[in-house]
Amino acid sequence: GAVVSQHPSWVICKSGTSVKIECRSLDFQATTMFWYRQFPKQSLMLMATSNEGSKATYEQGVEKDKFLINHASLTLSTLTVTSAHPEDSSFYICSAGRTSGIYEQYFGPGTRLTVT
Amino acid sequence: DAKTTQPNSMESNEEEPVHLPCNHSTISGTDYIHWYRQLPSQGPEYVIHGLTSNVNNRMASLAIAEDRKSSTLILHRATLRDAAVYYCILRGFQKLVFGTGTRLLVSP
Repeated sequence: GAVVSQHPSWVICKSGTSVKIECRSLDFQATTMFWYRQFPKQSLMLMATSNEGSKATYEQGVEKDKFLINHASLTLSTLTVTSAHPEDSSFYICSAGRTSGIYEQYFGPGTRLTVT
Repeated sequence: DAKTTQPNSMESNEEEPVHLPCNHSTISGTDYIHWYRQLPSQGPEYVIHGLTSNVNNRMASLAIAEDRKSSTLILHRATLRDAAVYYCILRGFQKLVFGTGTRLLVSP
């Protein structure tokens, strides 16, 4: 199957700083990429959908100025958590979708963010 | 987005079959039924998906009710590595919206 990577796998940052997380589709071109957030013992919550070269579509309640998404190419999307606070500590997961006859979506391994 | 309902948890013994149910009474005619599973501290892993007919792959089988208001994921012989949270998701156009899932516990 297709592979999606995320970098870094974990990060610790100080409150008030910004953190960038990368999501790459390694062996396919992703028409669409998605960003999810998951708090401990909870399900994944979709944050936003991004298509290459266009602005991301954010889910209701997600602050677009705080969670900046850039989708510059068909293999790379980035999520920047700006002015991070402890409540932003979470597991961030990206996924990449492609359509080749049927629609498939593949998930990255996740990035654990801890804000101190 | 149409919702799904799954039991919070289920238990199984190793090498026994497991039937994980999912109710989706508000499913629309174009919604695909997807199943993903997630191991601790990992991203979700695709298991199987279908539209109307039952589906089989190397990981599992998916049985879809005739009225499509429910489906069942079947693991034919559970192993310890199958212990995970299993999510039943209805996909409309592209995005996958996760519900609470079923935590499957597998005992040796």
